[in-house]
Amino acid sequence: EAGVAQSPRYKIIEKRQSVAFWCNPISGHATLYWYQQILGQGPKLLIQFQNNGVVDDSQLPKDRFSAERLKGVDSTLKIQPAKLEDSAVYLCASRPIKDDSNYGYTFGSGTRLTVV
Amino acid sequence: GQQLNQSPQSMFIQEGEDVSMNCTSSSIFNTWLWYKQDPGEGPVLLIALYKAGELTSNGRLTAQFGITRKDSFLNISASIPSDVGIYFCAGQLKAAGNKLTFGGGTRVLVKP
Repeated sequence: EAGVAQSPRYKIIEKRQSVAFWCNPISGHATLYWYQQILGQGPKLLIQFQNNGVVDDSQLPKDRFSAERLKGVDSTLKIQPAKLEDSAVYLCASRPIKDDSNYGYTFGSGTRLTVV
Repeated sequence: GQQLNQSPQSMFIQEGEDVSMNCTSSSIFNTWLWYKQDPGEGPVLLIALYKAGELTSNGRLTAQFGITRKDSFLNISASIPSDVGIYFCAGQLKAAGNKLTFGGGTRVLVKP
């Protein structure tokens, strides 16, 4: 089974530029998450989708961050304009609807963003 | 908001040693999870705990869910070099859409 695919792996941008990350979840996984992981910290949830609907975006800085999952499959996360403090690894995770054990909750390898 | 405190923040291991780390929370969780993250990779689930007081093993790993549902520990027995990495605890709350709240991590390193 293919894992959660993310691209690009690395991105360096200047502050005030915009950037987009892409995630393709495991086939059939209805739930998709974006997490932000700042160096030395645990991942923090930004947004959760179920199919193409947003379940929780309470921790998404909506003045600069946006995310979509238009067809309920792959997803993009955008930052515009970027700030220095946005430097982090952005992890995507997906999960099947029926996953009582949590072992179906799978993370991608992440996109490492550096804002200079 | 909810906070998970992990300790120690980092530790050195020697091959063959047993390792222990723990996690405490200011809030109750329905499920407690332990993940390992290798450099350049996403976290991978090691053990999931579902019931207060539950003790679960997975190979050389043993974890327990505290009776109050606010704490957990993870033990690694007879450590080997590939145990190096960052270990995260995470709490899951059904009422919050099953989202995960992660601790700050315990970095396990090899003794020089």
